[in-house]
Amino acid sequence: SYVLTQPPSVSVAPGKTARITCGGNNIGSKSVHWYQQKPGQAPVLVIYYDSDRPSGIPERFSGSNSGNTATLTISRVEAGDEADYYCQVWDSSSDHPGYVFGTGTKVTVL
Amino acid sequence: QVQLVQSGAEVKKPGASVKVSCKASGYTFTSYDINWVRQATGQGLEWMGWMNPNSGNTGYAQKFQGRVTMTRNTSISTAYMELSSLRSEDTAVYYCARGSGSCLDWGQGTLVTVSS
Repeated sequence: SYVLTQPPSVSVAPGKTARITCGGNNIGSKSVHWYQQKPGQAPVLVIYYDSDRPSGIPERFSGSNSGNTATLTISRVEAGDEADYYCQVWDSSSDHPGYVFGTGTKVTVL
Repeated sequence: QVQLVQSGAEVKKPGASVKVSCKASGYTFTSYDINWVRQATGQGLEWMGWMNPNSGNTGYAQKFQGRVTMTRNTSISTAYMELSSLRSEDTAVYYCARGSGSCLDWGQGTLVTVSS
């Protein structure tokens, strides 16, 4: 089955840039979606189709996808960005196609 | 605005079944798939399957095949997820989420606790 690998944690100072990677075999050929989840809350979609932002998501959030790595970039990080972040793709390569979530990355704002 | 409102917390014994509901509002229920995703305490997100509310077609993750059933009642814009033969490892928060390809909107989650 398809596997998406994320770093367990990323630490960043306020005002700096956080980059969260999502590694998968030829992930650049798939559409990647990113979710933010704060403690005790449901996930929220922050990037879809690699780099599009849903309405209401700040422009500070951006995404890219190429080769074997997709990246979520958070610019000018704020305290409120502290959360878990998950990447997700649709994997049609197996006998049981479906959604695959990454392992998740905890972003800590120093 | 789009809302997905799920049923309340459940406590079940091992071997029992649980049925979680997800009532949709603010959009045309039959226009978007409903996905079910679960999350054990301190763990990541785990996709369970999808259902097309228009056709009733479903697709389940291999891990849950044979144990999960996703259904809907279009007259009340509600989706259901039933999980059978519960074991302690099924203790988790279960979410419904609207979308095809990605999860655009999520329910608030339903905690299912499996304990003897």
